[in-house]
Amino acid sequence: GAVVSQHPSWVICKSGTSVKIECRSLDFQATTMFWYRQFPKQSLMLMATSNEGSKATYEQGVEKDKFLINHASLTLSTLTVTSAHPEDSSFYICSARGGGGHGMEQPQHFGDGTRLSIL
Amino acid sequence: AQSVSQHNHHVILSEAASLELGCNYSYGGTVNLFWYVQYPGQHLQLLLKYFSGDPLVKGIKGFEAEFIKSKFSFNLRKPSVQWSDTAEYFCAVMWSGTYKYIFGTGTRLKVLA
Repeated sequence: GAVVSQHPSWVICKSGTSVKIECRSLDFQATTMFWYRQFPKQSLMLMATSNEGSKATYEQGVEKDKFLINHASLTLSTLTVTSAHPEDSSFYICSARGGGGHGMEQPQHFGDGTRLSIL
Repeated sequence: AQSVSQHNHHVILSEAASLELGCNYSYGGTVNLFWYVQYPGQHLQLLLKYFSGDPLVKGIKGFEAEFIKSKFSFNLRKPSVQWSDTAEYFCAVMWSGTYKYIFGTGTRLKVLA
């Protein structure tokens, strides 16, 4: 089946540093990738939609200068949390759309998530 | 605004009990509906999906869901749960014209052996 790899799975860093999270579709090409944020005991909140070769589309309330998204190839999207602060601590999950089906019926495949802790 | 609600946040059942988890979405229009499961320490996995046709959808591991358009609902059911069904379950809705998922808050299911 379609596999999405997310790296790192857990990162702890000091306040003020930038952190990059990678999302790779291992065995399929993903024209669209999505980045979600999940707070404890809450739902996944869509942060942005990333299309290969173009600028990401951010959801309302998400700071695009804070959360930089790059979708450089059909198998890789990165999320960089710039100048991270404790309030950015969260669980970040990516998904990639593709690996069979057409149009609206193309499924999304999810990565394992990255737990980010900012001290 | 589009929203998805799951009314049961925590459910505890004994093995062999029947399960029904509620999912409602905010308003009409053409929708695609999904249920995902997340086992401890693992990624989200698709249980079943509805795009069109028969509103009773069968998924993996004995799960099924019924789309009731008039009630804006897509409830998940399983006749007899197993200990291995212990997980968190998420309902997601994709409105026509967008590829974005809106997720419900999730239901944490614990099945007692």
